[in-house]
Amino acid sequence: NAGVTQTPKFQVLKTGQSMTLQCAQDMNHNSMYWYRQDPGMGLRLIYYSASEGTTDKGEVPNGYNVSRLNKREFSLRLESAAPSQTSVYFCASSAGTRSNQPQHFGDGTRLSIL
Amino acid sequence: AQSVTQPDIHITVSEGASLELRCNYSYGATPYLFWYVQSPGQGLQLLLKYFSGDTLVQGIKGFEAEFKRSQSSFNLRKPSVHWSDAAEYFCAVAPMNYGGSQGNLIFGKGTKLSVKP
Repeated sequence: NAGVTQTPKFQVLKTGQSMTLQCAQDMNHNSMYWYRQDPGMGLRLIYYSASEGTTDKGEVPNGYNVSRLNKREFSLRLESAAPSQTSVYFCASSAGTRSNQPQHFGDGTRLSIL
Repeated sequence: AQSVTQPDIHITVSEGASLELRCNYSYGATPYLFWYVQSPGQGLQLLLKYFSGDTLVQGIKGFEAEFKRSQSSFNLRKPSVHWSDAAEYFCAVAPMNYGGSQGNLIFGKGTKLSVKP
């Protein structure tokens, strides 16, 4: 009963290092999302993929890239990490592209950049 | 611009007491409405959702929420809080008539619930 699986769960990077956060879902969902969560800010959408082969920017895409590797997997890459990217990152998926299909979340990746 | 407001950053209630968490939204039309719960160190779990119809919706874990169009509100309630309900709660809205992806889901900033023994 895995749902949405994120790896790693924790990571510490130095400024300027690169890193890829992995996300996989086993619910045969079409749409996938990456959010960041910062204290007092709620969740903010970084990028999303409405379906396999498509990606779109969300509210805060600067400094990130994404790849929808296949229907199951959606990765988030930090090319040159900055301290401002210290955050908890959540991946989510939903069955389809309509707004009435709720999102299912992973347990998050806690990323610290020194 | 669309927005979601959760006026209370932190609420403390005694175990067994009733609970109401407030959520107000600003939108051009009635949106889809959601409540999520986040336990410490966990991801978000959907508690309940409102799309249309009966304005009082029931969710998991004994929670309910009432949609009030006139007040643009979607408050979350529980008659008797348990210690295990201590968590952070997020209200979220999505446009009802948007034909594309869910890139427009908007979250409130959350309300942290503490439960006193």
